[in-house]
Amino acid sequence: GENVEQHPSTLSVQEGDSAVIKCTYSDSASNYFPWYKQELGKRPQLIIDIRSNVGEKKDQRIAVTLNKTAKHFSLHITETQPEDSAVYFCAARDSSASKIIFGSGTRLSIRP
Amino acid sequence: DVKVTQSSRYLVKRTGEKVFLECVQDMDHENMFWYRQDPGLGLRLIYFSYDVKMKEKGDIPEGYSVSREKKERFSLILESASTNQTSMYLCASSLQVLNQPQHFGDGTRLSIL
Repeated sequence: GENVEQHPSTLSVQEGDSAVIKCTYSDSASNYFPWYKQELGKRPQLIIDIRSNVGEKKDQRIAVTLNKTAKHFSLHITETQPEDSAVYFCAARDSSASKIIFGSGTRLSIRP
Repeated sequence: DVKVTQSSRYLVKRTGEKVFLECVQDMDHENMFWYRQDPGLGLRLIYFSYDVKMKEKGDIPEGYSVSREKKERFSLILESASTNQTSMYLCASSLQVLNQPQHFGDGTRLSIL
Protein backbone atom coordinates (compact mmCIF):
# COMPACT_ATOMS: atom_id res chain seq x y z
CA GLY A 1 0.00 0.00 0.00
CA GLU A 2 0.87 3.67 -0.14
CA ASN A 3 3.23 5.34 2.34
CA VAL A 4 3.62 9.12 2.55
CA GLU A 5 6.46 10.91 4.34
CA GLN A 6 6.35 14.64 5.04
CA HIS A 7 9.10 17.11 6.03
CA PRO A 8 9.71 19.19 8.00
CA SER A 9 7.49 18.53 11.00
CA THR A 10 7.74 22.18 12.08
CA LEU A 11 8.61 25.26 10.05
CA SER A 12 8.95 28.87 11.14
CA VAL A 13 9.32 31.63 8.55
CA GLN A 14 9.36 35.42 8.62
CA GLU A 15 6.20 37.08 7.38
CA GLY A 16 6.58 37.83 3.70
CA ASP A 17 9.08 35.03 3.08
CA SER A 18 8.30 31.75 1.28
CA ALA A 19 7.60 28.39 2.86
CA VAL A 20 8.17 24.99 1.29
CA ILE A 21 6.86 21.65 2.54
CA LYS A 22 8.02 18.42 0.94
CA CYS A 23 6.47 14.97 0.69
CA THR A 24 7.48 11.64 -0.80
CA TYR A 25 5.28 8.70 -1.66
CA SER A 26 5.90 5.04 -2.36
CA ASP A 27 3.17 3.90 -4.77
CA SER A 28 4.28 4.71 -8.31
CA ALA A 29 0.68 4.24 -9.51
CA SER A 30 -0.66 7.02 -7.27
CA ASN A 31 -2.24 9.76 -9.37
CA TYR A 32 -3.91 12.20 -6.96
CA PHE A 33 -2.16 14.40 -4.40
CA PRO A 34 -4.23 16.77 -2.23
CA TRP A 35 -2.99 19.23 0.38
CA TYR A 36 -5.01 20.11 3.46
CA LYS A 37 -4.69 23.01 5.90
CA GLN A 38 -5.86 22.67 9.49
CA GLU A 39 -6.07 25.81 11.58
CA LEU A 40 -6.03 25.48 15.34
CA GLY A 41 -9.23 23.85 16.58
CA LYS A 42 -10.71 23.55 13.11
CA ARG A 43 -11.28 20.85 10.53
CA PRO A 44 -8.76 20.05 7.80
CA GLN A 45 -9.70 21.80 4.57
CA LEU A 46 -8.48 21.18 1.05
CA ILE A 47 -6.35 24.06 -0.22
CA ILE A 48 -5.01 22.65 -3.47
CA ASP A 49 -4.66 19.32 -5.25
CA ILE A 50 -2.75 18.01 -8.22
CA ARG A 51 -3.25 15.07 -10.52
CA SER A 52 -0.43 13.14 -12.10
CA ASN A 53 -1.01 14.44 -15.61
CA VAL A 54 0.39 17.85 -14.61
CA GLY A 55 3.70 18.86 -13.02
CA GLU A 56 2.66 22.11 -11.35
CA LYS A 57 -0.48 23.89 -10.26
CA LYS A 58 -0.89 27.40 -8.85
CA ASP A 59 -3.64 29.17 -6.95
CA GLN A 60 -2.68 32.73 -6.01
CA ARG A 61 0.12 32.45 -3.39
CA ILE A 62 0.00 28.66 -3.25
CA ALA A 63 1.62 26.26 -5.69
CA VAL A 64 2.19 22.53 -5.76
CA THR A 65 4.80 20.72 -7.82
CA LEU A 66 4.91 17.02 -8.63
CA ASN A 67 7.87 14.93 -9.75
CA LYS A 68 6.53 11.49 -10.66
CA THR A 69 9.92 10.07 -11.51
CA ALA A 70 11.30 10.87 -8.07
CA LYS A 71 7.94 10.29 -6.38
CA HIS A 72 7.87 13.54 -4.51
CA PHE A 73 5.64 16.59 -4.40
CA SER A 74 5.92 19.93 -2.65
CA LEU A 75 3.77 22.80 -1.43
CA HIS A 76 5.06 26.32 -1.94
CA ILE A 77 3.55 29.33 -0.17
CA THR A 78 4.86 32.73 -1.24
CA GLU A 79 4.55 36.08 0.55
CA THR A 80 3.48 34.35 3.75
CA GLN A 81 0.94 36.04 6.00
CA PRO A 82 -0.08 35.44 9.65
CA GLU A 83 -3.20 33.59 8.52
CA ASP A 84 -1.00 30.99 6.86
CA SER A 85 -0.07 29.70 10.33
CA ALA A 86 -1.57 26.20 10.56
CA VAL A 87 -0.80 22.50 10.24
CA TYR A 88 -0.48 21.37 6.64
CA PHE A 89 -0.99 17.77 5.52
CA CYS A 90 0.05 16.26 2.21
CA ALA A 91 -1.68 13.13 0.98
CA ALA A 92 -1.63 10.62 -1.84
CA ARG A 93 -4.29 8.34 -3.16
CA ASP A 94 -3.65 4.63 -2.64
CA SER A 95 -4.07 3.17 -6.12
CA SER A 96 -5.30 -0.16 -4.73
CA ALA A 97 -8.24 1.29 -2.79
CA SER A 98 -10.56 4.26 -2.54
CA LYS A 99 -8.58 5.83 0.25
CA ILE A 100 -6.14 8.66 0.83
CA ILE A 101 -2.94 8.24 2.84
CA PHE A 102 -1.86 11.32 4.77
CA GLY A 103 1.56 12.56 5.75
CA SER A 104 2.33 13.29 9.39
CA GLY A 105 1.79 17.04 9.05
CA THR A 106 3.87 20.23 9.17
CA ARG A 107 3.20 22.92 11.73
CA LEU A 108 3.89 26.23 9.97
CA SER A 109 4.39 29.36 12.08
CA ILE A 110 4.67 32.82 10.56
CA ARG A 111 6.83 35.24 12.58
CA PRO A 112 5.70 38.89 12.47
CA ASP B 1 -21.44 23.58 0.52
CA VAL B 2 -20.75 20.13 1.92
CA LYS B 3 -21.70 19.66 5.55
CA VAL B 4 -20.20 16.85 7.60
CA THR B 5 -21.55 16.87 11.13
CA GLN B 6 -20.12 14.94 14.05
CA SER B 7 -22.46 14.45 16.98
CA SER B 8 -20.11 15.69 19.73
CA ARG B 9 -17.13 18.07 19.88
CA TYR B 10 -15.99 16.75 23.26
CA LEU B 11 -16.71 13.43 24.93
CA VAL B 12 -15.48 11.90 28.17
CA LYS B 13 -15.98 8.19 28.82
CA ARG B 14 -14.64 5.55 31.19
CA THR B 15 -12.45 2.54 30.48
CA GLY B 16 -14.51 -0.44 29.39
CA GLU B 17 -17.50 1.58 28.19
CA LYS B 18 -18.97 1.08 24.72
CA VAL B 19 -18.66 4.38 22.86
CA PHE B 20 -20.51 5.53 19.77
CA LEU B 21 -19.30 8.40 17.57
CA GLU B 22 -21.78 9.53 14.95
CA CYS B 23 -21.19 11.27 11.64
CA VAL B 24 -23.73 12.58 9.14
CA GLN B 25 -23.13 14.14 5.71
CA ASP B 26 -25.67 15.96 3.61
CA MET B 27 -24.18 15.74 0.10
CA ASP B 28 -25.14 12.21 -0.91
CA HIS B 29 -21.49 11.12 -0.86
CA GLU B 30 -20.83 7.42 -1.36
CA ASN B 31 -17.55 7.29 0.56
CA MET B 32 -17.20 7.92 4.28
CA PHE B 33 -14.13 7.66 6.49
CA TRP B 34 -13.09 7.65 10.13
CA TYR B 35 -9.63 8.90 11.14
CA ARG B 36 -7.89 9.49 14.40
CA GLN B 37 -5.48 12.38 14.75
CA ASP B 38 -2.60 12.27 17.19
CA PRO B 39 0.31 14.76 17.45
CA GLY B 40 3.16 13.82 15.14
CA LEU B 41 1.25 10.95 13.56
CA GLY B 42 -0.99 12.82 11.17
CA LEU B 43 -4.35 11.40 10.18
CA ARG B 44 -4.56 7.63 10.44
CA LEU B 45 -7.42 5.78 8.78
CA ILE B 46 -9.45 3.53 11.05
CA TYR B 47 -12.26 2.35 8.74
CA PHE B 48 -13.94 3.50 5.58
CA SER B 49 -17.10 2.68 3.68
CA TYR B 50 -17.91 3.09 0.01
CA ASP B 51 -21.57 2.07 0.20
CA VAL B 52 -24.37 1.31 2.60
CA LYS B 53 -23.62 -1.76 4.72
CA MET B 54 -20.10 -1.96 3.22
CA LYS B 55 -16.97 -1.38 5.29
CA GLU B 56 -13.25 -1.73 4.81
CA LYS B 57 -10.49 -1.79 7.40
CA GLY B 58 -8.05 1.07 7.35
CA ASP B 59 -4.58 1.12 8.86
CA ILE B 60 -5.53 0.94 12.55
CA PRO B 61 -8.87 -0.91 12.91
CA GLU B 62 -8.04 -2.81 16.10
CA GLY B 63 -10.44 -2.00 18.94
CA TYR B 64 -12.95 -0.30 16.63
CA SER B 65 -15.94 -1.26 14.53
CA VAL B 66 -18.24 0.73 12.26
CA SER B 67 -21.80 0.77 11.05
CA ARG B 68 -23.29 2.22 7.87
CA GLU B 69 -27.01 1.50 7.80
CA LYS B 70 -27.88 4.64 5.81
CA LYS B 71 -25.93 6.42 3.13
CA GLU B 72 -25.66 9.68 5.06
CA ARG B 73 -24.59 8.20 8.40
CA PHE B 74 -21.38 6.46 9.43
CA SER B 75 -20.87 5.41 13.03
CA LEU B 76 -17.63 4.53 14.79
CA ILE B 77 -17.89 2.17 17.73
CA LEU B 78 -15.35 1.56 20.45
CA GLU B 79 -16.43 -1.82 21.76
CA SER B 80 -14.61 -1.52 25.09
CA ALA B 81 -12.89 1.84 25.44
CA SER B 82 -9.30 1.96 26.61
CA THR B 83 -7.09 4.88 27.62
CA ASN B 84 -4.96 4.53 24.47
CA GLN B 85 -8.03 5.43 22.44
CA THR B 86 -7.99 8.95 23.85
CA SER B 87 -7.63 11.05 20.69
CA MET B 88 -9.21 13.41 18.20
CA TYR B 89 -11.54 11.55 15.84
CA LEU B 90 -12.34 12.99 12.43
CA CYS B 91 -15.03 11.88 10.03
CA ALA B 92 -14.84 12.64 6.30
CA SER B 93 -16.85 11.99 3.17
CA SER B 94 -16.25 12.13 -0.58
CA LEU B 95 -17.81 11.29 -3.89
CA GLN B 96 -16.92 7.90 -5.29
CA VAL B 97 -15.82 9.45 -8.58
CA LEU B 98 -12.07 9.07 -8.86
CA ASN B 99 -9.79 11.61 -7.25
CA GLN B 100 -12.30 13.74 -5.44
CA PRO B 101 -11.37 15.62 -2.26
CA GLN B 102 -12.52 14.55 1.17
CA HIS B 103 -14.65 16.85 3.30
CA PHE B 104 -14.09 16.71 7.03
CA GLY B 105 -16.22 17.21 10.09
CA ASP B 106 -15.11 19.36 13.03
CA GLY B 107 -13.85 16.35 14.98
CA THR B 108 -14.67 14.76 18.32
CA ARG B 109 -12.09 15.03 21.08
CA LEU B 110 -12.57 11.81 23.03
CA SER B 111 -11.05 11.29 26.47
CA ILE B 112 -11.09 7.85 28.07
CA LEU B 113 -10.53 7.96 31.83
